[in-house]
Parts: sequence; C-alpha cells; structure tokens
Amino acid sequence: DAEITQSPRHKITETGRQVTLACHQTWNHNNMFWYRQDLGHGLRLIHYSYGVQDTNKGEVSDGYSVSRSNTEDLPLTLESAASSQTSVYFCASAPQKGEQFFGPGTRLTVL
Amino acid sequence: GNSVTQMEGPVTLSEEAFLTINCTYTATGYPSLFWYVQYPGEGLQLLLKATKADDKGSNKGFEATYRKETTSFHLEKGSVQVSDSAVYFCALIPNTGGFKTIFGAGTRLFVKA
Repeated sequence: DAEITQSPRHKITETGRQVTLACHQTWNHNNMFWYRQDLGHGLRLIHYSYGVQDTNKGEVSDGYSVSRSNTEDLPLTLESAASSQTSVYFCASAPQKGEQFFGPGTRLTVL
Repeated sequence: GNSVTQMEGPVTLSEEAFLTINCTYTATGYPSLFWYVQYPGEGLQLLLKATKADDKGSNKGFEATYRKETTSFHLEKGSVQVSDSAVYFCALIPNTGGFKTIFGAGTRLFVKA
C-alpha cells in the first residue's frame, strides 16, 4: 500500500545545530508540503513543492529550507536550530487538487 | 484572500449527543471543501469532502453540505462516540492559484462516556 513516512519520529537537539527531517511518500504525488503545529497556532505552512526541482516558501519559512531532487522525498532542514523551532512537524503529499495525505509527524525539541 | 473560520473549542459532549461544528469560508469562485480529523499523536486524515455547491460529503456517520449561499460547510454527526474525541479541521483548496490547502484553526472535541 502507498504511504507517507517521516523520520525520525522524535528528535532532541541543541541550539545552533543543523537538523534534517525526512519525508518519503510512495503515492507518486507531485505536491508535497511541510507544516508545523503548535498550540494556539494550528497548522502553519513552512515550505511546499509542486514537483522535482520546484520549492516555494510558505508563511513561516525563515530558518528552514527544502530541496526536491526526486518525486518521493522532501527533506526539511533547519539551518541553525532555535528554541522557537520546538514543535511537531508534519509532512503531507497530494495529487493536483485533491486531499492531502499526512505523515505521522516528527516531534522536535530544541534545547 | 482565502480563509476558513471554524468554531472555537473545546467542545465537550456526552456519548450519543448530536454534534455540530461550524465552518465558514472566504474564497472566490467554487473552492473544494474538506474536513480532516486528527486523533491524538497522529497526523491529519481526510474525513470527508465536497467539490461543488450542494454536494454532501459523508463518512463514518459524519456529514457536511457545501452551502454556497452561506459560504458554509458545517460538520454534523447524529450520535457521537467516545472514539470520536479528536481535533477537527475544516479546510479549502481554492479553484485558482495553486494547490495549497487553507486550514481552519481546528476544533477539539471531547466525548464523555
């Protein structure tokens, strides 16, 4: 069965370190998205991609980057982790204008 | 711009009670409308959707009707169960300008036995 996975599921890191969160989907969807979810803020879009080599900034992109070298993967990198980036991160994929399929999330703690 | 407004929670109900979670939207034209559900410790998953006016989406006893005249997509269930306790998100995809989904803030539902 097709699926979307995220790794790691939990991560603790220190301020200033570079961190990469992985997202892998086997739906063959062109569209992929990264969100963060915080109490009181709902879901906020970080970056998104509509296909290989395409990346776009979302509403809270500062301090984050993505790259899309193939259809299946959209890794999210925190260049220099800050305590304000402690959050739960969700990756999602979608066909053209269809519903999004979400991964299980990564809980990131920055100390 | 495009936006989704849903009722603030938490909503607390007893088992077998009737549920309504209100959702209204702002968008030009005819967006596609969705309800997602998030159970504790999990990602969001699609609950139901409607893609044109007067369509009714339904799944697992939940229903929502696309009302263009009131720009609404309220979620209803006739008899909730403890297992329905979750956070519910209303969402839309505009019919122009890309494939991003616009999410509401989410409504937490607690169902007591």
